[in-house]
Amino acid sequence: AQSVAQPEDQVNVAEGNPLTVKCTYSVSGNPYLFWYVQYPNRGLQFLLKYITGDNLVKGSYGFEAEFNKSQTSFHLKKPSALVSDSALYFCAVRPLGNNRKLIWGLGTSLAVNP
Amino acid sequence: DAGVTQSPTHLIKTRGQQVTLRCSPKSGHDTVSWYQQALGQGPQFIFQYYEEEERQRGNFPDRFSGHQFPNYSSELNVNALLLGDSALYLCASSLIGDPYNEQFFGPGTRLTVL
Repeated sequence: AQSVAQPEDQVNVAEGNPLTVKCTYSVSGNPYLFWYVQYPNRGLQFLLKYITGDNLVKGSYGFEAEFNKSQTSFHLKKPSALVSDSALYFCAVRPLGNNRKLIWGLGTSLAVNP
Repeated sequence: DAGVTQSPTHLIKTRGQQVTLRCSPKSGHDTVSWYQQALGQGPQFIFQYYEEEERQRGNFPDRFSGHQFPNYSSELNVNALLLGDSALYLCASSLIGDPYNEQFFGPGTRLTVL
């Protein structure tokens, strides 16, 4: 079965330190990959996507993500975390083909401590 | 450029009642998807509407139904509410012609069933 895993329920990092939020997927072929962020009591906001090309994708708010085909991973990163980055982060995958549904991870709660 | 809007923001119902949630897509978008997000969970796909027809459906019972209007706005109806239907309901819009199915989310409607 196709799935997306975010192995960490919560990530804690000090302000100014680099952060990584992990995502791995089990989908056949070369899917499209997305990261979304959700602030408290808000909807989901698009951060970045990987379609093809350079394995390092840059997105909104200084975030970037690294695609690793051999490890089927798409980890979200930021060189220097801000307290305002504290939120819930979701990884989503769209398999190739006519099925347009996104497969979502369960989310990772990021807490950036001042 | 108006983003995705949803109404109402919050809603409280009792078991057995029926509820209607509304969504207006981002300007220029023609496809609306609905998701249910329970507390602490990722979004669960309910269904997607395009050209006023349900095109795809997730694993939700027939109590969940929807509609799309000629102006692309959409409604989600839930009949015979259960306590377990309490969740944040998210609407996302996209363009059917977008091969990546990038979705733009509204702020959600928080439904509480007592």
